[in-house]
Amino acid sequence: AQSVSQHNHHVILSEAASLELGCNYSYGGTVNLFWYVQYPGQHLQLLLKYFSGDPLVKGIKGFEAEFIKSKFSFNLRKPSVQWSDTAEYFCAVRVAGDDKIIFGKGTRLHILP
Amino acid sequence: DVKVTQSSRYLVKRTGEKVFLECVQDMDHENMFWYRQDPGLGLRLIYFSYDVKMKEKGDIPEGYSVSREKKERFSLILESASTNQTSMYLCASSFAGTRTWEQYFGPGTRLTVT
Repeated sequence: AQSVSQHNHHVILSEAASLELGCNYSYGGTVNLFWYVQYPGQHLQLLLKYFSGDPLVKGIKGFEAEFIKSKFSFNLRKPSVQWSDTAEYFCAVRVAGDDKIIFGKGTRLHILP
Repeated sequence: DVKVTQSSRYLVKRTGEKVFLECVQDMDHENMFWYRQDPGLGLRLIYFSYDVKMKEKGDIPEGYSVSREKKERFSLILESASTNQTSMYLCASSFAGTRTWEQYFGPGTRLTVT
């Protein structure tokens, strides 16, 4: 069965630090990849997505992610975090043609002001 | 704006009670999903439905059932609530086909079973 692994369960950073959250998936075929974010008290929402083409994708609020097929990875990055980035981040994968999305266990990001 | 609403934000039930969680979406989406969200476990799919009266089991269907009598409404039923079903329940909806990835989530229902 397909699975998604997020390396860090809880990350604490100071404002202006750089961020990289790891995500690996297990499936050898064509996949679509996503990062979702859940800000405190808010709905889960899509941050960015990868379907095909340029493996470096840009999302909202200055986030980007790079798809490295050979490593089955889709890491999330931001060069300089802000206090407002405090949230829980979920990596997710969809096998092409499937209706379901499989979510990772999430990473809680806490930014110190 | 897409709206996915859930009937309750907080719910407290006793062990053995039958519990209904309702979800309504206003975007004419074909697909609807029920997840549970637990700390350290992420989102796990309970059931999903791709059409009225159609359903498929997700990863953790045991102890749950669903009902979709109308396109906009998807209900999650706990036939006999147990304490291990204390959790946050999230409903989501999406179009079918190539846009199925674009899931819109409701605010969640935090269920406590005592």
